[in-house]
Amino acid sequence: DAKTTQPPSMDCAEGRAANLPCNHSTISGNEYVYWYRQIHSQGPQYIIHGLKNNETNEMASLIITEDRKSSTLILPHATLRDTAVYYCIVSPTGKLIFGQGTTLQVKP
Amino acid sequence: DAGITQSPRHKVTETGTPVTLRCHQTENHRYMYWYRQDPGHGLRLIHYSYGVKDTDKGEVSDGYSVSRSKTEDFLLTLESATSSQTSVYFCAIKGTGGGNEQFFGPGTRLTVL
Repeated sequence: DAKTTQPPSMDCAEGRAANLPCNHSTISGNEYVYWYRQIHSQGPQYIIHGLKNNETNEMASLIITEDRKSSTLILPHATLRDTAVYYCIVSPTGKLIFGQGTTLQVKP
Repeated sequence: DAGITQSPRHKVTETGTPVTLRCHQTENHRYMYWYRQDPGHGLRLIHYSYGVKDTDKGEVSDGYSVSRSKTEDFLLTLESATSSQTSVYFCAIKGTGGGNEQFFGPGTRLTVL
């Protein structure tokens, strides 16, 4: 499975868009990009996933570059409840391997 | 909410005792997973199941066994608990969306003294 690189931490002002980057330069053609988040002490929560095209759901948008070597998760209007650790995972539909993720702190 | 419950939610036990954690799901999902989460290590896969009586090892399976005798229950057993197995254990199911999106239970916090 391809490895991912994420910044360890980021801040975002409440109400603003949060843009979380992820590098996955060794991604293979059949590997999907998944995003999860984990709010303190809770189980991880699935957010979104994509292969090549940009994706949007009720929680977030996923922008994948044309060469698929990086992606950005966008939370359009961050709230205090979005404070969490965000994990970017690359997987060919097999097992998920969680790294250290990005700790997003949303500030009032 | 994928209808996943874990029991117990908290347990304290002593070294050398057997421990069984239960994951229960109500939506007939085929794939189920057990992870552990420790500070500095993120989540690591212990075992997974792809159907009744069909299980396989993950990256940290030593010291753990699993059983799945019916679709809704996936049991994780520590035959002889050790202090290194103190951790938070999460169960997950694979959704039906075609990818590998997984939905997690609330976790079990296990302390081995």
